[in-house]
Amino acid sequence: KAGVTQTPRYLIKTRGQQVTLSCSPISGHRSVSWYQQTPGQGLQFLFEYFSETQRNKGNFPGRFSGRQFSNSRSEMNVSTLELGDSALYLCASSLATTAFYNEQFFGPGTRLTVL
Amino acid sequence: AQSVSQHNHHVILSEAASLELGCNYSYGGTVNLFWYVQYPGQHLQLLLKYFSGDPLVKGIKGFEAEFIKSKFSFNLRKPSVQWSDTAEYFCAVNGGDTGRRALTFGSGTRLQVQP
Repeated sequence: KAGVTQTPRYLIKTRGQQVTLSCSPISGHRSVSWYQQTPGQGLQFLFEYFSETQRNKGNFPGRFSGRQFSNSRSEMNVSTLELGDSALYLCASSLATTAFYNEQFFGPGTRLTVL
Repeated sequence: AQSVSQHNHHVILSEAASLELGCNYSYGGTVNLFWYVQYPGQHLQLLLKYFSGDPLVKGIKGFEAEFIKSKFSFNLRKPSVQWSDTAEYFCAVNGGDTGRRALTFGSGTRLQVQP
């Protein structure tokens, strides 16, 4: 079974621009979560989508947004990029059953550099 | 808000040495606990998880962790490390402010095993 895929793998943008990152979950997985990884702040939860609805959100400004499509693929968007948005953005998918927790499987990440 | 503390930021060991990485979390409610590993250039992978029951959990590659509820700790151990264990290790919990579906990560411990 193919793992979580993320595109693009690397991205360079300039301040003020916007960017869209894409994530394809493991087949059959209905939940997609996004995390930001930086040397200073570590791994931080951005948001989670299930059935095309955001059902959980971390403490990030409104410039960070996302969506999920009917095939469970997800995109996240960052508008008005700042230098501090340079990070590795990780996507994770899970089955999302009614259990308290479903194991999350992580993708390779998209490394965003903001100049 | 819940938090996760990993006290060792960088650990250097020789092959065959024993390993113990500390992890403490702050949330007092129901949580699940995890250790993830990130090998150089690879995805985050789940090493082991604790949901309930026996507080000593065994994971892949000979790793184990002990949940001590009274100390809010979930330390990772391995009796004899190998050069291939060189990686970054993250402790994580779910539950609390971000809900049961999101993970709160520690800052990570970089393990370097010298041959």
